Amino acid sequence: EAGVTQSPTHLIKTRGQQATLRCSPISGHTSVYWYQQALGLGLQFLLWYDEGEERNRGNFPPRFSGRQFPNYSSELNVNALELEDSALYLCASSFSPAGTYNEQFFGPGTRLTVL
Amino acid sequence: AQSVTQLGSHVSVSEGALVLLRCNYSSSVPPYLFWYVQYPNQGLQLLLKYTSAATLVKGINGFEAEFKKSETSFHLTKPSAHMSDAAEYFCAVSDHGAGNMLTFGGGTRLMVKP
Repeated sequence: EAGVTQSPTHLIKTRGQQATLRCSPISGHTSVYWYQQALGLGLQFLLWYDEGEERNRGNFPPRFSGRQFPNYSSELNVNALELEDSALYLCASSFSPAGTYNEQFFGPGTRLTVL
Repeated sequence: AQSVTQLGSHVSVSEGALVLLRCNYSSSVPPYLFWYVQYPNQGLQLLLKYTSAATLVKGINGFEAEFKKSETSFHLTKPSAHMSDAAEYFCAVSDHGAGNMLTFGGGTRLMVKP
């Protein structure tokens, strides 16, 4: 069974540009989560999508946005990039949102560097 | 809001020694609890999880963790460290129905000396 996949592996952008990161969940999983792992800030929850809807959002500005497609894959967009957006962005997926324990399976991440 | 504290950002043990990585959470209601491992330049791999069943949870690679409600702790242990255990370990919690987000501790980097 294929795990969570993310693309690209690395992404280099300059300040003010937009970045688009992609995630494909494990087959059968309907929920996708995005986390930011920035140096010195640890792992922080960004967004949760389930069945095409945004279900929850972490403490990030609106320039962080995303969507989930009908095939449950997801895209994270970061607009007006700032230097501090440089981080490893991890995507995770799970089978079911509420009512069951929340075991999330993580992808390898996209390393975003903002110059 | 939930918070997770991992005592010791760096832990060093000798090969063959006991590994003990500490995790405390803040919720008064026992949440779901997880330990993840991250090897360099990789994503997170689930080691084990606590979901209100047995308090002693066994995971992969010989790791186990014990849930102690009175201490709000979920420490990770392994009887004998291997060189391949060198990695960063994250404790995480998820409140029941609280948006499904995982709240992570700051991580503990485990170093294993030969």
